[in-house]
Amino acid sequence: GENVEQHPSTLSVQEGDSAVIKCTYSDSASNYFPWYKQELGKGPQLIIDIRSNVGEKKDQRIAVTLNKTAKHFSLHITETQPEDSAVYFCAAPWMDSSYKLIFGSGTRLLVRP
Amino acid sequence: DGGITQSPKYLFRKEGQNVTLSCEQNLNHDAMYWYRQDPGQGLRLIYYSQIVNDFQKGDIAEGYSVSREKKESFPLTVTSAQKNPTAFYLCASSIRGGSGMNTEAFFGQGTRLTVV
Repeated sequence: GENVEQHPSTLSVQEGDSAVIKCTYSDSASNYFPWYKQELGKGPQLIIDIRSNVGEKKDQRIAVTLNKTAKHFSLHITETQPEDSAVYFCAAPWMDSSYKLIFGSGTRLLVRP
Repeated sequence: DGGITQSPKYLFRKEGQNVTLSCEQNLNHDAMYWYRQDPGQGLRLIYYSQIVNDFQKGDIAEGYSVSREKKESFPLTVTSAQKNPTAFYLCASSIRGGSGMNTEAFFGQGTRLTVV
C-alpha cells in the first residue's frame, strides 16, 4: 500500500521569502499528486496538482515538482504573504482498485509579516 | 452552486450515544470518503464508497458505520463503540477515475464532534 511522508511539520518564513514543503511516497505506480491548503476550522482545498507524466507545474506563486525516480514531490511557494499561513497537505493515491488518496501528516506554515 | 455540504458544523455527544454526521454533494460524483482529523495530525480514512450501495473500510473503521443509499449522500454514524470520538470529521467526494486516472477530491467544511 501507499505510504506518504511529509516534511517539515512546521515552517516559519518571513513575508516575501520562499517556502518549500517536501513529500515522499512509496508506491512507484502512483500517478497523481495533489496539494491541499487547510485554513483553521475549514476543510482542505486543492491548490495545485501534478500527474506523473510531467516534472513541474506552476500556477502564479505556487509550483510543484515531481521526481518519479526518487519518489518525491515538493511544493514551492514564492513571495510568501501572510494569507499563505495555513496547514498544507500532500497526497498520493493507493493504486489498488480504489485509488483512494493517502495524505501526508501536514505542514503548518507561518508567514511572519 | 455545486459543492459538498456537511452538517452540523458542531456536534456534542454524550458518552454511550450514537450520532450521525451528514454529508451531501451535488457534484454528481461517484466516490465519497470520510476522514478523521485529530489536532496537529493528518487525515485518516474511515470509510469510502465508490458507488451507490457499496462501501469499504478505511484504516480506522472500528466504531463507525456508513450507508450509501443515494449517490448524493454518505452519512457517517459514530457509535458508542468508538472510544475516542472527539475529532474533526471531513467528508470528501471525487469523480471515480477509470484506468487509474485520479481526480481532485472536494472536501466539505467539516464537523467538529465533542464528547461531553
